[in-house]
Amino acid sequence: GAGVSQSPRYKVAKRGQDVALRCDPISGHVSLFWYQQALGQGPEFLTYFQNEAQLDKSGLPSDRFFAERPEGSVSTLKIQRTQQEDSAVYLCASSLAVQAAVGNTIYFGEGSWLTVV
Amino acid sequence: QKEVEQNSGPLSVPEGAIASLNCTYSDRVSQSFFWYRQYSGKSPELIMSIYSNGDKEDGRFTAQLNKASQYVSLLIRDSQPSDSATYLCAVISLNAGGTSYGKLTFGQGTILTVHP
Repeated sequence: GAGVSQSPRYKVAKRGQDVALRCDPISGHVSLFWYQQALGQGPEFLTYFQNEAQLDKSGLPSDRFFAERPEGSVSTLKIQRTQQEDSAVYLCASSLAVQAAVGNTIYFGEGSWLTVV
Repeated sequence: QKEVEQNSGPLSVPEGAIASLNCTYSDRVSQSFFWYRQYSGKSPELIMSIYSNGDKEDGRFTAQLNKASQYVSLLIRDSQPSDSATYLCAVISLNAGGTSYGKLTFGQGTILTVHP
């Protein structure tokens, strides 16, 4: 597709429910990132994939958060037993190259807005 | 201490004025610096990137970087109401191995309002 596509755009989950958020990066992009953005804050890094390999998951806030990218394209962020503090926008981003070289632009999707009630 | 700090704002300027946004960072090995604009309910949009000390100009936007002071700023000249948004400063730092895969560390954002 032309850009990074995320679904669902909006999700309301009851506390304790499991949710799955999907990211479809730009075709051919090697790098894929997930960020969490709470209201009024900047995005916070969650995890990074290089193709299908999850090279950095240092930002995942708890073992309730799990991400995968099994074929090196589409990625899913799963949150188990959601809590109210999980309410945030979950942003996916992709870039063509691996290194943060000059001109290697990182493209963001529109985000998935999660509200836990 | 947060790794990337921005002036708290919100910042309000009249149309046609210069808006000045500031950002400091704590990691001395930070290599790449970015300003993103985020409209309410939208994703961050890259407006400027800067990699070396000095000024970089692009239209009405000027980014300034001072690595010695660990400071990066964004000036918006002739501010327009359409510039009203949250501005996010972000940096990319090297990993322990001296490489980077492009992980962005963001500041908390500064809300800019340009009033007619």
